[in-house]
Amino acid sequence: NAGVMQNPRHLVRRRGQEARLRCSPMKGHSHVYWYRQLPEEGLKFMVYLQKENIIDESGMPKERFSAEFPKEGPSILRIQQVVRGDSAAYFCASSAAGEGIQYFGAGTRLSVL
Amino acid sequence: KNQVEQSPQSLIILEGKNCTLQCNYTVSPFSNLRWYKQDTGRGPVSLTIMTFSENTKSNGRYTATLDADTKQSSLHITASQLSDSASYICVVSRMDSSYKLIFGSGTRLLVRP
Repeated sequence: NAGVMQNPRHLVRRRGQEARLRCSPMKGHSHVYWYRQLPEEGLKFMVYLQKENIIDESGMPKERFSAEFPKEGPSILRIQQVVRGDSAAYFCASSAAGEGIQYFGAGTRLSVL
Repeated sequence: KNQVEQSPQSLIILEGKNCTLQCNYTVSPFSNLRWYKQDTGRGPVSLTIMTFSENTKSNGRYTATLDADTKQSSLHITASQLSDSASYICVVSRMDSSYKLIFGSGTRLLVRP
């Protein structure tokens, strides 16, 4: 009865390194969403993916950020050449349908030194 | 601009008391409004979801109301418990992209014994 699983829970990177955040959706869910929460702010939509397809990436920064949801395995949010401003909590959610209730993981807290 | 504003920002109440949290939104065209509970260090958990035609919805001790004309919603918590201490987040979505949740900054509720 696993919910949405995110790992790692905490990630520390130095400026210029790459960060890879993983998200395994709930069983039976094929829709995945990534949100970012900056300190003292609400969650902000980043990207919506279905298996092997990016449906909406309008919330993704134009550079350094990418996301994928392969046919097999978890969804990956990749941040290249991290900067201090990337420090935030990154939440993944999944749903059974595009307009269904989104179930959230516990988040990955990224700290960039 | 699509915005969701919540008040108060934080609230302290005694165990057993009731409280009401407020949400105003400017999101248009409106699809639905959700209330989420987020415990510290955890992901948001859905409490209620309401569409345009629904005025009220309950989930145990939580009752949400929606006035789509004035674009206001409230979340009423009855007979508060210590475990109610959390952030309560109002989330709205647009009809043309209902998967793209628009989050408020939340109300931080602390229930004291």
